[in-house]
Amino acid sequence: QVRLQESGPGLVKPSETLSLTCTVSGGSISTYYWSWIRQPAGKGLEWMGRIYFSGSYNYNHPFKSRVTMSVDTSKKQVSLNLRSVTAADTALYYCVRVAEGSRSYGDYWGRGTLVTVSS
Amino acid sequence: SYELTQPPSVSVSPGQTARITCSADALTKQYAYWYQRKPGQAPVLLIYKDSERPSGIPERFSGSSSGTTVTLTISGVQAEDEADYYCQSADNSGVYWVFGGGTKLTVL
Repeated sequence: QVRLQESGPGLVKPSETLSLTCTVSGGSISTYYWSWIRQPAGKGLEWMGRIYFSGSYNYNHPFKSRVTMSVDTSKKQVSLNLRSVTAADTALYYCVRVAEGSRSYGDYWGRGTLVTVSS
Repeated sequence: SYELTQPPSVSVSPGQTARITCSADALTKQYAYWYQRKPGQAPVLLIYKDSERPSGIPERFSGSSSGTTVTLTISGVQAEDEADYYCQSADNSGVYWVFGGGTKLTVL
């Protein structure tokens, strides 16, 4: 069974960089795209972008100037960096495996990790 | 991009049928996907490509599409089905995903 586990600091100061890691177990990291999705409190789900195991990526427009995603196949980890955070970046962050084929949806999700931006 | 519109809440008694809709003009051209999210748990894919059910998902969950609206139907609702349900679709390229605002299903 594929499992995704998000990890990282639960508290980040404004203007700093939010860094999260997603560890993949029970399945391969190769041949898949991996997405990050977040949900700010009281708001809907936001697709932040995706990264292929080879490193190619697509970022959603609202995040393009601030986000970087990366993959470490040897560690079976996917990472998210979001720069210059503000309180608006306080959210539950999910790591998602993008389904093969159409690649238009996620077939496995992590439980999510809550990140609060506050001084 | 575009928005997917879901009702904020749906309530149903155990054993009855719950229907959750998701609307957008783009759904005439793009597939919809449905996820279930319970507190503290990883969201689960319930339906893909409008009406396909992944292995392991109970048959009481089904999806359908008509024009600009897709519908998630839960037949014989059980107490354990109380959760938030999200529809999702993508742009023409299939790369950029869009989500509905979510529907909280309450089992009375």
